[in-house]
Amino acid sequence: DTGVSQDPRHKITKRGQNVTFRCDPISEHNRLYWYRQTLGQGPEFLTYFQNEAQLEKSRLLSDRFSAERPKGSFSTLEIQRTEQGDSAMYLCASSLSGTGQSPLHFGNGTRLTVT
Amino acid sequence: DAKTTQPPSMDCAEGRAANLPCNHSTISGNEYVYWYRQIHSQGPQYIIHGLKNNETNEMASLIITEDRKSSTLILPHATLRDTAVYYCIVRVVGDTGGFKTIFGAGTRLFVKA
Repeated sequence: DTGVSQDPRHKITKRGQNVTFRCDPISEHNRLYWYRQTLGQGPEFLTYFQNEAQLEKSRLLSDRFSAERPKGSFSTLEIQRTEQGDSAMYLCASSLSGTGQSPLHFGNGTRLTVT
Repeated sequence: DAKTTQPPSMDCAEGRAANLPCNHSTISGNEYVYWYRQIHSQGPQYIIHGLKNNETNEMASLIITEDRKSSTLILPHATLRDTAVYYCIVRVVGDTGGFKTIFGAGTRLFVKA
């Protein structure tokens, strides 16, 4: 399968713990996006990378959240000191730049439950 | 990016065409219309996009009105597997634009046997 891969699919953690999610985009895609989705809502934009550069962060991304894409390939999203309000599906997507119209290709997400 | 308005839910009989409307009355000239869908427990899936001409692919057809203020996604022969949330999005496209696709709440389509 050459689609976007996310790991783990599910994560249950206790409040106050740190968690890290990984996203492997489609190999030739240089843009990578993180979204968060809560029940009944559409995905909310969190942050975006072009290659290894993080070009935009949403106000939703508090200081407890950090995302990296060190070599312009896979990306990690870390949440420190998790809170119950962080419980959500975290989605990763990738796309090509330069073609302008390139749509987003999403992974199946990591579902986080904070107890 | 312009805002879109979609009905919260729709029903369709299996085998019939599903016509999903989207209003984007504030769309500007350089904004494209994109459609995605999300089946339960999966990430959103790209369906189709267009600027002003009608578009068709193996999944669906996209009809955009002449004034571009609204569009309709057509699934010609809906199946039970087409039950999903369908998102209509407009975004600027370009080398530096279009990087932040904003999703609304979408339309929940129920295909019934």
